[in-house]
Amino acid sequence: EVQLLESGGGLVQPGGSLRLSCAASGFTFSHYAMSWVRQAPGKGLEWVAGINGLGSEPFYADSVMGHFTVSRDNSQNTLYLQMNSLRAEDTAVYYCTKEMGLTKPFDYWGQGTLVTVSS
Amino acid sequence: EMALTQSPATLSLSPGESATLSCRASQNIGTYLAWYQQRPGQAPRLLIYDASNRANAIPARFSGSGSGTDFTLTISGLEPEDFAVYYCQQRLIWPPFTFGPGTKIEIK
Repeated sequence: EVQLLESGGGLVQPGGSLRLSCAASGFTFSHYAMSWVRQAPGKGLEWVAGINGLGSEPFYADSVMGHFTVSRDNSQNTLYLQMNSLRAEDTAVYYCTKEMGLTKPFDYWGQGTLVTVSS
Repeated sequence: EMALTQSPATLSLSPGESATLSCRASQNIGTYLAWYQQRPGQAPRLLIYDASNRANAIPARFSGSGSGTDFTLTISGLEPEDFAVYYCQQRLIWPPFTFGPGTKIEIK
């Protein structure tokens, strides 16, 4: 059974940093690209960052380029999102997602971790 | 940049009725379109991929159609658990993997 378990969310002040983790199990982690998708309170879904299976090609939404970094450790089956210079508009539930395959959508989602940026 | 629009924003229906949801892309995306369902307080769930293929364990009452710029999600006979928000997502032109703004199906 595929499982994605996010951790690392919490309350942080504007300008602060946070690192999210996503522990994956139930599939061959290194074979699949992974992404982070966020959802601000009461709003829709926004893809923010993704990375290929090898971890060599990260890609980002314009809204987070330069202040978020996505990475993965295939030996630990874990996906990361390092978030720096956090702003109020980064407040959201952050979901870890697994892609079905190249050009395919996200077939598994974690339950999400809430990040709140506030003073 | 690619944009997706969804209509209507809200659909008020009764259990047993059928729902027709629309998603329109600003550029031709072939059949690289997916649909997700999000129930309150839950993570999204993949329903349809490549415009018309049901994901694993998705009931047959969910069907998708369309290609190019116009797509439809049909739910034939709404069950109580189908009252939720539905998002479309394109997978052809990225980054970003664009989502539509969502359609909420509410109980009439």
